[in-house]
Amino acid sequence: GESVGLHLPTLSVQEGDNSIINCAYSNSASDYFIWYKQESGKGPQFIIDIRSNMDKRQGQRVTVLLNKTVKHLSLQIAATQPGDSAVYFCAVAGGGTSYGKLTFGQGTILTVHP
Amino acid sequence: ETGVTQTPRHLVMGMTNKKSLKCEQHLGHNAMYWYKQSAKKPLELMFVYSLEERVENNSVPSRFSPECPNSSHLFLHLHTLQPEDSALYLCASSQDKNRGTEAFFGQGTRLTVV
Repeated sequence: GESVGLHLPTLSVQEGDNSIINCAYSNSASDYFIWYKQESGKGPQFIIDIRSNMDKRQGQRVTVLLNKTVKHLSLQIAATQPGDSAVYFCAVAGGGTSYGKLTFGQGTILTVHP
Repeated sequence: ETGVTQTPRHLVMGMTNKKSLKCEQHLGHNAMYWYKQSAKKPLELMFVYSLEERVENNSVPSRFSPECPNSSHLFLHLHTLQPEDSALYLCASSQDKNRGTEAFFGQGTRLTVV
């Protein structure tokens, strides 16, 4: 089976700092990884994804890094803003699941202080 | 707006009540999902529908009964729930079941069972 974990349940940063949120997974056959952002009162919102044939992928102010050797991925947010305050989930798929089911981590609460 | 709309946003029901949650997607997707989000727990997949056919039931108690009358609408019928069923229920959709990882979520229904 798949288990997904997060190293830190909460992260507090100052506005303008860079944020790094980490996630570990257990199934070495996992081949697709997503980061979601969930603001209070809203459903999860897709941020960025990466497939197992890549080590790094960049979006707007966000970068996802994948280390398949140690089964670890991270989300880096550059110049963090108060609007980035939310819960961030990693999700993992693949490894033989038939319907592309996602296994979600518990989430990291990111708080950005002005 | 993600294109996935859930109603109601909040619901309080007694253990003997019967209620239904509604989800509608305007994205032309063929697969729809119900997830349960409890406090301090990862998102749990409940049901998967593909082209109006249920293709996955993750050992969900029979007091939860899904219905998918067409590819745009998904319901979750609730009957004789327990207080521990109180949670945020999220609907999601994706292009098809095999691309279920690229899911778009609704804002959820906050359910409280008293």
